[in-house]
Amino acid sequence: GNSVTQMEGPVTLSEEAFLTINCTYTATGYPSLFWYVQYPGEGLQLLLKATKADDKGSNKGFEATYRKETTSFHLEKGSVQVSDSAVYFCALGPSGGYNKLIFGAGTRLAVHP
Amino acid sequence: DAGVIQSPRHEVTEMGQEVTLRCKPISGHDYLFWYRQTMMRGLELLIYFNNNVPIDDSGMPEDRFSAKMPNASFSTLKIQPSEPRDSAVYFCASKGGGAGATGELFFGEGSRLTVL
Repeated sequence: GNSVTQMEGPVTLSEEAFLTINCTYTATGYPSLFWYVQYPGEGLQLLLKATKADDKGSNKGFEATYRKETTSFHLEKGSVQVSDSAVYFCALGPSGGYNKLIFGAGTRLAVHP
Repeated sequence: DAGVIQSPRHEVTEMGQEVTLRCKPISGHDYLFWYRQTMMRGLELLIYFNNNVPIDDSGMPEDRFSAKMPNASFSTLKIQPSEPRDSAVYFCASKGGGAGATGELFFGEGSRLTVL
């Protein structure tokens, strides 16, 4: 079946450090891939997405590339800020529609000044 | 534009009581989703509606849970009777499905339920 596996957190970084949060997936067909972010006390918000292999999604300095050969969609940012502290969720939208998004467990990021 | 609006934000109740969570989706969105978030199980899809019709309720844990969408601007998730293991944050989300839709889910701020 379809599933998403994320690296466990928390990830603790100093401001301006490089960030990588790993995400791998299992799916049939050609799913779409997403990263959502949840700030404290809020709901999830879409951060970026990619709908086909080799697509790169990007937003607010974050990037992720859809790698079909390694079934991965790792999230990266070159220089994190304290305001990036949040929980990040990788999600998979199965082929044929996004309706049943499958979320990973989430990775908490804490950035210190 | 107002986002997805959920109420109450926090609910503390005793085991056996009925709980009703409410959601107002973004105007014009024709899909509505109910998710549950816990530390143990992460984010789980409970049920979703399209044009007010329940499409998939396979995630609803048991008969104690029910959800309705009487019109395009309102949905409820009811738990009766509630149990301590129902304690979680319940999120409502909506999205548009028509031409030009991006597939993005818009989440409310959640309803934190504690069952004592």
